[in-house]
Amino acid sequence: GAGVSQTPSNKVTEKGKYVELRCDPISGHTALYWYRQSLGQGPEFLIYFQGTGAADDSGLPNDRFFAVRPEGSVSTLKIQRTERGDSAVYLCASSYGVPDTDTQYFGPGTRLTVL
Amino acid sequence: DAKTTQPNSMESNEEEPVHLPCNHSTISGTDYIHWYRQLPSQGPEYVIHGLTSNVNNRMASLAIAEDRKSSTLILHRATLRDAAVYYCILRDVKTNFGNEKLTFGTGTRLTIIP
Repeated sequence: GAGVSQTPSNKVTEKGKYVELRCDPISGHTALYWYRQSLGQGPEFLIYFQGTGAADDSGLPNDRFFAVRPEGSVSTLKIQRTERGDSAVYLCASSYGVPDTDTQYFGPGTRLTVL
Repeated sequence: DAKTTQPNSMESNEEEPVHLPCNHSTISGTDYIHWYRQLPSQGPEYVIHGLTSNVNNRMASLAIAEDRKSSTLILHRATLRDAAVYYCILRDVKTNFGNEKLTFGTGTRLTIIP
């Protein structure tokens, strides 16, 4: 079946601009996660949705970052007033949301470059 | 989350077994040991997980020390497609909704030599 998809695959923007990154999770997955990965580092957690609500947004670095999942499926990560330090690969993952040892399935990521 | 320690890099010859170590000396009794890997230009993918007993699946085997302070991911016959960064991650089984995130370290970069 279809995996997690993310669009766009690459995004180049200028400092100060607003960007939106989209994630389409696997059908039937209630949990959705956003991570950010800088070069040479492991992915870093940003936010976790269970259904439509953000169950844990402790990883969002500041209030320029916001994410929504209005219908419990597709999610959008929004970054305002982008800075060069926001350049990274943004990864989305989804899972069935069952506690315990739930496996997360990752998309290919969106590479964001802020000039 | 309890911390894991892995070598930064390892090399192995193609078609030979690979043993990837992970130390987790502060592991708690309710922590599962998970392994994910990340192939070049892709998102991470699940490999295997276990609690106390050794585990096998189609991708790999997981050997867990008796005191659970270390574990080893075993690829029985490495191929070029196994070249990736391998992450060892601890996840507390007593999680409630809202605490399901994965905490990645820097992992082990595995290079396969043809």
